[in-house]
Amino acid sequence: SYVLTQPPSVSVAPGQTARITCGGDNIGSKSVHWYQQKPGQAPVVVVYDDSDRPSGIPERFSGSNSGNTATLTITRVEVGDEADYYCQVWDSSSGVFGTGTKVTVL
Amino acid sequence: EVQLVESGGGLVQPGGSLRLSCAASEFTFSSYEMNWVRQAPGKGLEWLSSISSLDSIINYADSVKGRFTISRDNAKNSLYLQMNSLRAEDTAVYYCAREIPASIGAFDIWGQGTMVTVSS
Repeated sequence: SYVLTQPPSVSVAPGQTARITCGGDNIGSKSVHWYQQKPGQAPVVVVYDDSDRPSGIPERFSGSNSGNTATLTITRVEVGDEADYYCQVWDSSSGVFGTGTKVTVL
Repeated sequence: EVQLVESGGGLVQPGGSLRLSCAASEFTFSSYEMNWVRQAPGKGLEWLSSISSLDSIINYADSVKGRFTISRDNAKNSLYLQMNSLRAEDTAVYYCAREIPASIGAFDIWGQGTMVTVSS
């Protein structure tokens, strides 16, 4: 089965840039979606189809995807961005989520 | 407000069954592919199953294939998950989620989740 690997944690100071990676075999050939999940809440999509942003999501959130790595970039990080982030793709008609990354804003 | 509301969770013994429901409101439910996703306590997200808008295409994760059945009633704006032969490892919060039609399977609307606990 297809595996998506994310770093368990990323720490960033307010105002700085956080980059969260999602590794998978030739993931560049797939569409990658990113979700933000705060404690006790349902996930929220922040980037879909590699780099599209749903309405209401700040431009500070952006995505890229190439080769074996997709990346979610959060610029000008705010305290409110502290959350778990998951990447997701489809492989052989099955949804696959990444292992998740906890973003801590120092 | 566009929303999904799950119900039907609870405590069930190993080997038992449970049927989850997901009620959709304020959007044309019959036009959207729908999914179930779960999250075990303290763990990550796990995709379980998807169903196309007219329930002609259904897919399952290997972990639930043969035990869980997804279905929908477009007349009632509802999605269902019939769960049989439940195991302790099925303990989780279960979410229903709507797919963005113009995307390659991204989930834009999620319910608040319903907790399923499998324990004797």
